[in-house]
Amino acid sequence: SQTIHQWPATLVQPVGSPLSLECTVEGTSNPNLYWYRQAAGRGLQLLFYSVGIGQISSEVPQNLSASRPQDRQFILSSKKLLLSDSGFYLCAWSGPYEQYFGPGTRLTVT
Amino acid sequence: QQPVQSPQAVILREGEDAVINCSSSKALYSVHWYRQKHGEAPVFLMILLKGGEQKGHDKISASFNEKKQQSSLYLTASQLSYSGTYFCGTAKYNTDKLIFGTGTRLQVFP
Repeated sequence: SQTIHQWPATLVQPVGSPLSLECTVEGTSNPNLYWYRQAAGRGLQLLFYSVGIGQISSEVPQNLSASRPQDRQFILSSKKLLLSDSGFYLCAWSGPYEQYFGPGTRLTVT
Repeated sequence: QQPVQSPQAVILREGEDAVINCSSSKALYSVHWYRQKHGEAPVFLMILLKGGEQKGHDKISASFNEKKQQSSLYLTASQLSYSGTYFCGTAKYNTDKLIFGTGTRLQVFP
């Protein structure tokens, strides 16, 4: 069966520090992968999606970037975090009909 | 553009029914429904496709009016486990990139 992992689960970072969040998928090959951000009490904002290695589409202009160095690995990065980057970051992959979400990373920028 | 959901919040007693609506300003190919418990990742409930096909949860039903670009989720005989925030996700084409709605918070009390 397919499994999606994200780490770390929680992260507290100062403003201006770099960020790297990792997502890996098991049990499937060549999945479509997504990064979402959810601010406290808000909806899901699509940040990036990828249909293959090295193929990244950005949905929202911001100081974040994404990379897909391997088929089942998706990384979200930032060179300098802003306070507004705080939130719950979710990675997801697409099944035949639905998206499966990872457990998420709760990021607090102080 | 982000789909609009109504109502924003619903409070129910166990056994009561609820309807959650999702409205888009653009033509839709599919509508997906997810439920998110506090602090957890969203979980897929069902998908409704243009043309009438549906796949998903046995105890939850939904409708999709393609002409009105609207979908409704019907929760009958609610249980405590139904509590959470419900999101619709819409796709314009036969693609799995979703734009999620504003969310509806549902609370079920004994």
